[in-house]
Amino acid sequence: GAGVSQSPSNKVTEKGKDVELRCDPISGHTALYWYRQRLGQGLEFLIYFQGNSAPDKSGLPSDRFSAERTGESVSTLTIQRTQQEDSAVYLCASSLAVRGPLKTQYFGPGTRLLVL
Amino acid sequence: QKEVEQNSGPLSVPEGAIASLNCTYSDRGSQSFFWYRQYSGKSPELIMSIYSNGDKEDGRFTAQLNKASQYVSLLIRDSQPSDSATYLCAVQLLGVFGNEKLTFGTGTRLTIIP
Repeated sequence: GAGVSQSPSNKVTEKGKDVELRCDPISGHTALYWYRQRLGQGLEFLIYFQGNSAPDKSGLPSDRFSAERTGESVSTLTIQRTQQEDSAVYLCASSLAVRGPLKTQYFGPGTRLLVL
Repeated sequence: QKEVEQNSGPLSVPEGAIASLNCTYSDRGSQSFFWYRQYSGKSPELIMSIYSNGDKEDGRFTAQLNKASQYVSLLIRDSQPSDSATYLCAVQLLGVFGNEKLTFGTGTRLTIIP
């Protein structure tokens, strides 16, 4: 079946502009995560959605970052007034919400954001 | 202290040899552990997962977990040039709202020398 998809694959923007990144999770996966990966670094957690529950926004680096998810489907991550330090690859992952350990997260191809 | 620590490498291993990748973590409540492989410019791909102490084998890959020592490792037997990539160790901890976010190390860059 189809994996996690993200769009756009690449985005170049000017400092101060707003950008919107999209994630389409694997069908049936109720858990959705956004991560950020700066060049040469590991992945940093940003936000978590689970079904219709309140999201865990604890990883968002500033109030310029926000995300939404409609039910158990598409999610959008919005960065307002972009800064050069926002340049990174933004990765989306989804997983099944089942009891027990090893809830594997499957990653999308990412959106490479460059802020000039 | 970082939550998940890995030697950044690069680690160079001759083709056909065993590559050994190590990871330590700080939170004793961590439940599950994952190894992802990431090729340059690509997204992470799951290689192995483990949650019980001991060894877990899958083909050429073996994951080893020691919760008492807070240590997880990945062994790659009969290393191939296609194994050259960055290997990310990730630790899963049950958080608020049932959030099971992954906390990643910075990765170890592995190069297999033909």
